[in-house]
Amino acid sequence: NAGVMQNPRHLVRRRGQEARLRCSPMKGHSHVYWYRQLPEEGLKFMVYLQKENIIDESGMPKERFSAEFPKEGPSILRIQQVVRGDSAAYFCASSPPLQGNTEAFFGQGTRLTVV
Amino acid sequence: AQSVTQLDSQVPVFEEAPVELRCNYSSSVSVYLFWYVQYPNQGLQLLLKYLSGSTLVKGINGFEAEFNKSQTSFHLRKPSVHISDTAEYFCAVSEGSASKIIFGSGTRLSIRP
Repeated sequence: NAGVMQNPRHLVRRRGQEARLRCSPMKGHSHVYWYRQLPEEGLKFMVYLQKENIIDESGMPKERFSAEFPKEGPSILRIQQVVRGDSAAYFCASSPPLQGNTEAFFGQGTRLTVV
Repeated sequence: AQSVTQLDSQVPVFEEAPVELRCNYSSSVSVYLFWYVQYPNQGLQLLLKYLSGSTLVKGINGFEAEFNKSQTSFHLRKPSVHISDTAEYFCAVSEGSASKIIFGSGTRLSIRP
């Protein structure tokens, strides 16, 4: 059973471009969380999704950021018109249905660098 | 809304010495509590979790934590640390099903030989 897979591991974008970060949850998991980690800081919650539903997006910036978790395929975190301040590590975690968030399994992260 | 406070940003200890990493939380309802470890350039790995039942929770790598409801704390301990324990440790809290998991700011544990 493969773990949570995030790709790409490293992503470089120029200011103004779009960044698309992908997260494939563990097999059988239907809950996905996205977190952002700035250098020397902790993990900041961004969004919590179930299949085809956004459960909690209270940590998402109001503009330029969006997330989806379609019925088929990976969860996508999209950042439009990236700026230098978006440079960070973005982590995805997944948890199984019925157990809700009694345990979240993390991916290796995508390190976004905006130049 | 729930929140987590890790009181120490860095904790240096000597190898084979005991260590305690402190965590306090705030929540208006019953919570689930977690400790995760992050090695450099890696994702997070679950060390242990408290969902209910016994307040003393044992995890991997010889770590344990004790849930103290009256003090709203969930401190992590290990009786004897090893060089390989050098990492960042995160305390986290969730208010249950369909609730986000909130992380503390982390404690960097550095082990001196």
